[in-house]
Amino acid sequence: QQPVQSPQAVILREGEDAVINCSSSKALYSVHWYRQKHGEAPVFLMILLKGGEQMRHEKISASFNEKKQQSSLYLTASQLSYSGTYFCGTERDGTSYGKLTFGQGTILTVHP
Amino acid sequence: EAQVTQNPRYLITVTGKKLTVTCSQNMNHEYMSWYRQDPGLGLRQIYYSMNVEVTDKGDVPEGYKVSRKEKRNFPLILESPSPNQTSLYFCASSRRTGMGKRERESYNEQFFGPGTRLTVL
Repeated sequence: QQPVQSPQAVILREGEDAVINCSSSKALYSVHWYRQKHGEAPVFLMILLKGGEQMRHEKISASFNEKKQQSSLYLTASQLSYSGTYFCGTERDGTSYGKLTFGQGTILTVHP
Repeated sequence: EAQVTQNPRYLITVTGKKLTVTCSQNMNHEYMSWYRQDPGLGLRQIYYSMNVEVTDKGDVPEGYKVSRKEKRNFPLILESPSPNQTSLYFCASSRRTGMGKRERESYNEQFFGPGTRLTVL
């Protein structure tokens, strides 16, 4: 079952902040975040593990709430280069390694 | 240069004509996966492989086959393509986790290939 991302799309001006959420109905072991620019392959941002620390990639950070099975991606002081589609991918807890299920994506557009 | 390559990049074919999309990585990664990407549905995992001769189904394996005879290669085979397999396909690879602080193995950073756009008429 795919995790649910919200919002589906967000439009920002340079310098504004945004939060993208990823929720699952199943217990999770890890959450992965990727960004995909138009016409390109997805590029890794960060991984959050159960019991792990909040992660950071430049001005982008993320958290993982194990109780709520939810992860949030925080984009601070957005730049034009942040535009793209953001995907979360989840590994379920209690299962062995292998399956990675991605959400439907959140389209982020940053205007000057 | 460390990379994942896919061939062909674009393919138009007809229903029922067997085809293979190749995927190769030069990073000595143990793990490889195939995904398809469709508008509004995100990336969906088709098959994955944890090592040579070890493969398993992802979320949407119907109509696809894979093999992993060599560590670097992970071809995707469509024995009898149908129009609903028209999609953008990505291959990805990642290294094995050193268990370390983790409870179990988990995905590390995945490196994606450039994608193959397949149209089945």
